[in-house]
Amino acid sequence: DGGITQSPKYLFRKEGQNVTLSCEQNLNHDAMYWYRQDPGQGLRLIYYSQIVNDFQKGDIAEGYSVSREKKESFPLTVTSAQKNPTAFYLCASSYRDSNVLTFGAGSRLTVL
Amino acid sequence: KQEVTQIPAALSVPEGENLVLNCSFTDSAIYNLQWFRQDPGKGLTSLLLIQSSQREQTSGRLNASLDKSSGRSTLYIAASQPGDSATYLCAVFTSGTYKYIFGTGTRLKVLA
Repeated sequence: DGGITQSPKYLFRKEGQNVTLSCEQNLNHDAMYWYRQDPGQGLRLIYYSQIVNDFQKGDIAEGYSVSREKKESFPLTVTSAQKNPTAFYLCASSYRDSNVLTFGAGSRLTVL
Repeated sequence: KQEVTQIPAALSVPEGENLVLNCSFTDSAIYNLQWFRQDPGKGLTSLLLIQSSQREQTSGRLNASLDKSSGRSTLYIAASQPGDSATYLCAVFTSGTYKYIFGTGTRLKVLA
């Protein structure tokens, strides 16, 4: 079945450590997105990519980095520069023409 | 800058009631609007997508309408069931931005 796979589902990090969240899709979607969700704040866009080897900052990119070396993969690195990284992270993808978003199951990051 | 608001933030209704969830947006230059459902700790599931040229979309007991001129969309749920309990989010794809802006959601509880 086609879909988006995010891993790990739960991740614990010590302060000062970088962590990478994986996002893989087999939907042949062109565009991929990373969102952060905090209680009461809805989803906020971190980074997005319309095509391979190209990506743009979203509304809250500081302290995060991404790469898009393959169409299927869009990993997100949460760096030690991110001041408040504890959150639920959601990856999504879509065809460029339809813009119908498909989401993964999410990764919950907790900083200890 | 596009802003998306959802009212009410939370809603409890008895089983069997018809209900309406509201979504408003500030910039009417939208490409489409999408309604999602999110269960606790899970990713988002797309319910309905309305293109800017459409007035409404229906799927089963769900009906979504769009009034671009007034910056409003409503999600109508007929004959609500306990299984409909979840958070419902709307997201607006603003023309020329290549990204969705999400509302903060309405948390629905349907009581048996």
